[in-house]
Amino acid sequence: EVQLVESGGGLVQPGGSLRLSCAASGVIFRTFWTHWVRQAPGQGLVWLSHIKDDGSDIRYADSVKGRFTVSRDNAKNTVYLQMNSLRAEDSAVYYCATDLTSWGQGTLVSVSS
Amino acid sequence: QTVVTQEPSLTVSPGGTVTLTCACSSGAVTSGYYANWFQQKPGQVPWALIYETTKKHSWTPARFSGSLLGGKAALTLSYVQPDDEADYYCQLFFGGVWVFGGGTKLTVL
Repeated sequence: EVQLVESGGGLVQPGGSLRLSCAASGVIFRTFWTHWVRQAPGQGLVWLSHIKDDGSDIRYADSVKGRFTVSRDNAKNTVYLQMNSLRAEDSAVYYCATDLTSWGQGTLVSVSS
Repeated sequence: QTVVTQEPSLTVSPGGTVTLTCACSSGAVTSGYYANWFQQKPGQVPWALIYETTKKHSWTPARFSGSLLGGKAALTLSYVQPDDEADYYCQLFFGGVWVFGGGTKLTVL
């Protein structure tokens, strides 16, 4: 059974940066595409990015392109989401998901002064 | 970016059947959009139901089915149960990126 745990969320000022981590266990992580999805309070799901199992293909939603960067370290079974130039509208729960099938519990990011 | 549209809300009676749809602003949804469907209950993580338009996960109840209907992706729930009350999200694949619909709030009443 796949277990995913996101971490790194917190309160950050507008314009600031955060790096989220998605650590996997119970699975051969390097065989999965990993996605980042966010959900603002009371709002719907928004797909942000995905990274291919070997890191050779990475795509971003227009809303975060140029500000967010995804990477992975398969030796550590971890995928990262580097978030720069954060805005208030980036405040949300951030989920990682393998193959959009197994999801973590999410980590809360709040962007506020 | 392409917009994916779902019914904001639907109501169904217990034991009834309901179909949720998923449209895209660029035209008809085809199998090439690899539609996914997710269920999310309040305070819970999204739960994958359907992938690649019609395929069920091993845990997906037989009462849930995916299809293409009138140029849209569709999720049909048969023999609806009170526990099916939730938000349902579709997701489509457009040239390398995924886009979620706004979600349908399904009320069982």
